[in-house]
Amino acid sequence: AQSVAQPEDQVNVAEGNPLTVKCTYSVSGNPYLFWYVQYPNRGLQFLLKYITGDNLVKGSYGFEAEFNKSQTSFHLKKPSALVSDSALYFCAVRALGTGFQKLVFGTGTRLLVSP
Amino acid sequence: DAGVIQSPRHEVTEMGQEVTLRCKPISGHNSLFWYRQTMMRGLELLIYFNNNVPIDDSGMPEDRFSAKMPNASFSTLKIQPSEPRDSAVYFCASSHRPGGGTEAFFGQGTRLTVV
Repeated sequence: AQSVAQPEDQVNVAEGNPLTVKCTYSVSGNPYLFWYVQYPNRGLQFLLKYITGDNLVKGSYGFEAEFNKSQTSFHLKKPSALVSDSALYFCAVRALGTGFQKLVFGTGTRLLVSP
Repeated sequence: DAGVIQSPRHEVTEMGQEVTLRCKPISGHNSLFWYRQTMMRGLELLIYFNNNVPIDDSGMPEDRFSAKMPNASFSTLKIQPSEPRDSAVYFCASSHRPGGGTEAFFGQGTRLTVV
């Protein structure tokens, strides 16, 4: 069964500094990987995904993520954090396969960007 | 497009009462998902519909929970009778394909409190 680990409950970063939110996954075969963001009292918003091809994926709001197959990681990054980036971030994985494959979410990482 | 629309946004009910949550997916999407979010268990997939047909309901916690999708633009999640442990945020999500590399779009959620 596939699983996702987000090892940090919270990440603190100063505005203007680079940020990284970590994600590792476990899946049989090749994965589809996703990042979502959740603002308070809102639903999850899709940020970016990795399906195949270039290991560096660019998404919304200046975020990007790097797929590393050897380390089974898909860390979310941004070169310069904004206070408005403060939110809850979820990594998710779906296995390739026939039939319906569930999208499995990590437990989430709270990002706090200080002014 | 207005996105995935859920109602009500908040619901407070007494233990033993019936609760019905509603969802309108994005027009043209033929896959619909119901998720539950709690602090203890994170995001859990409850049930998945494709073309209005329930495909995977293995996440439905027990017989008190039921879901229907009578047409492509409407779905309900019913809890009868409700219990305090059902208190959570319930999200509906839709996508135009059931899996693979397709991302799902989430509604703003219904915060259910059972007292």
